[in-house]
Order: sequence, then structure tokens, then C-alpha cells
Amino acid sequence: GAVVSQHPSRVICKSGTSVKIECRSLDFQATTMFWYRQFPKQSLMLMATSNEGSKATYEQGVEKDKFLINHASLTLSTLTVTSAHPEDSSFYICSAPRTGVTDTQYFGPGTRLTVL
Amino acid sequence: AQSVTQPDIHITVSEGASLELRCNYSYGATPYLFWYVQSPGQGLQLLLKYFSGDTLVQGIKGFEAEFKRSQSSFNLRKPSVHWSDAAEYFCAVGARGSQGNLIFGKGTKLSVKP
Repeated sequence: GAVVSQHPSRVICKSGTSVKIECRSLDFQATTMFWYRQFPKQSLMLMATSNEGSKATYEQGVEKDKFLINHASLTLSTLTVTSAHPEDSSFYICSAPRTGVTDTQYFGPGTRLTVL
Repeated sequence: AQSVTQPDIHITVSEGASLELRCNYSYGATPYLFWYVQSPGQGLQLLLKYFSGDTLVQGIKGFEAEFKRSQSSFNLRKPSVHWSDAAEYFCAVGARGSQGNLIFGKGTKLSVKP
């Protein structure tokens, strides 16, 4: 089956620093990847759509300059949380649809970010 | 407004008992409906999906779900629960061709008693 990995799985950082999270499709190419955020006891909220070779598309209310997305290749998208603050602490999950498998996304295991 | 409601935050069932997890949605267009399961440290795994056709869909691990348009529901069922089914279950809805913009419910945590 399709596999999506994320790295790191868990990160703790100081307030004001930047954190990069990687999302990789391991056995398929993904021209599009999605970044979600999940708060405790809450549902996943789509943050942005990462497009290979072009700018990411952000959902309403998501700060582009704070959550930088780069889709450098057909198997890698990165989310950088810049100048992180405690309110950015959350569970970040990426997903990728597999070409030819209509409307089905494959999710990564998530990254737990804690900002002190 | 588009939304997905999972009324039960936490359900506990005995191993071997039947299970039904509820999901109601509000969506303007014809919906695509999904059930995902999330185990600790794991990504969301697709259990089943409904796009069109037969309203009773079969998924992996012995799960099934029934789409009822009149009730705007897509409840997940399993006739006999196994201890390994303990996890968090998410219902999601999306539009045809959207792929990305899934709207998720808040999830139902399933605990299984021996």
C-alpha cells in the first residue's frame, strides 16, 4: 500500500525558533500534498495544499509567513513553522493522494510539536 | 455550513460485541464519505469510503458503513469487535474531485474491554 512518512515524529523547541517538518511519499509520487493540524480532542483542520513546483495554497486564516511550505520534489514536502510560539504547539499531519486512486489520501503518522 | 458530527467522544465495548459509530454530515454538494482509523503513533488509515452506488460499503478489518441520504448519516459498524480495534475513528466528508479539502469530525475513541 501507499506509505507516507513524516520526520520528526516529535519535536520540542523554544519559543522564537523555527521548526521544519518533512513529509515524504515513500513508494509513489505526489504532485500534491496536504498539511493538516490537529488540536487535542479536535478534528483535523486543513492548513494548506502543497503543490510541486508552485506556491502552496493556504486555507483561510492560516498565516503564509508563519507556516512556510516547500514542495521541492515529487516525493517531499516540508512545513516550516517560523518563530514558533506556544500556541503553535499541535499535532501536524500531512497527506498525499496517490495518482490513479481517486479521491483517496494517504496520511503520514504525524508530528507532535511542543513549543516551550 | 459544512460539517461532520461524531456525537460520541468515547465508546467502550466488550470484545466480541457489536459496534456502531455514528457520523452525521452537513454538506452542500453530493458528498464523498470516508472513515479513517488512527492508532497511537500511526497515520490515519482508510477503512472505507463511499462515492456512489450501493449504500452499504464494505471496508477493511471487517468494518462496514451505510450511507443514508435521508438522515445525512454514514455510520460505521462491525459485528464483532477485537481488542486490536481500540483506536480513534474519524469520519470525513469531501467533494468529488477535491481530494484535499476533507472535513473531519472530532473523532470517536474506541476502547475495548476484555
